[in-house]
Amino acid sequence: DGGITQSPKYLFRKEGQNVTLSCEQNLNHDAMYWYRQDPGQGLRLIYYSQIVNDFQKGDIAEGYSVSREKKESFPLTVTSAQKNPTAFYLCASTPTGGTYGYTFGSGTRLTVV
Amino acid sequence: GEDVEQSLFLSVREGDSSVINCTYTDSSSTYLYWYKQEPGAGLQLLTYIFSNMDMKQDQRLTVLLNKKDKHLSLRIADTQTGDSAIYFCAESKVTGANNLFFGTGTRLTVIP
Repeated sequence: DGGITQSPKYLFRKEGQNVTLSCEQNLNHDAMYWYRQDPGQGLRLIYYSQIVNDFQKGDIAEGYSVSREKKESFPLTVTSAQKNPTAFYLCASTPTGGTYGYTFGSGTRLTVV
Repeated sequence: GEDVEQSLFLSVREGDSSVINCTYTDSSSTYLYWYKQEPGAGLQLLTYIFSNMDMKQDQRLTVLLNKKDKHLSLRIADTQTGDSAIYFCAESKVTGANNLFFGTGTRLTVIP
């Protein structure tokens, strides 16, 4: 079955560490997205990529980095520069030019310890 | 702009109808979507409506679009406890970015 997989489901980070969240899709979607979700707030766009080797900053890109070396993969690194990284992170994908909305992964909950 | 607004909470009794409302500001929006998020999970696409439509029905779900007022609603008939979740509306435009703009989400609580 096609889908989008995020791992790990839970992640703990110590102060000053970088951590990388994985997002893999086998839907042959061109565009991929990373969102952050905090309690009581909506989804805030961190980064997105419409094509391999290209990505754009979203609304809250500071303290985060991404890469898009393969169509299937769009990993997100939460760097030590991100001062408040505890949140639920969601990855999504969609075909370019489609009207199908986004397909979401099941999310990664990151906690700073 | 792309502001999408929703009320934060809604409580209904099991068996009643639920109506979740959403307002958006961008009149050039082409598609509007409703997503459901269960606790600790990702978002699941429930339904979507094209901006030239007024209504779309899919089993227990009815979507109403008032383009003049930029108002979108999702009605869930015969609401069940399994419908308890956060519901997000989202708007998109036909641009190269394919970006969706999400509301803050409405937490629906179904009381048995």
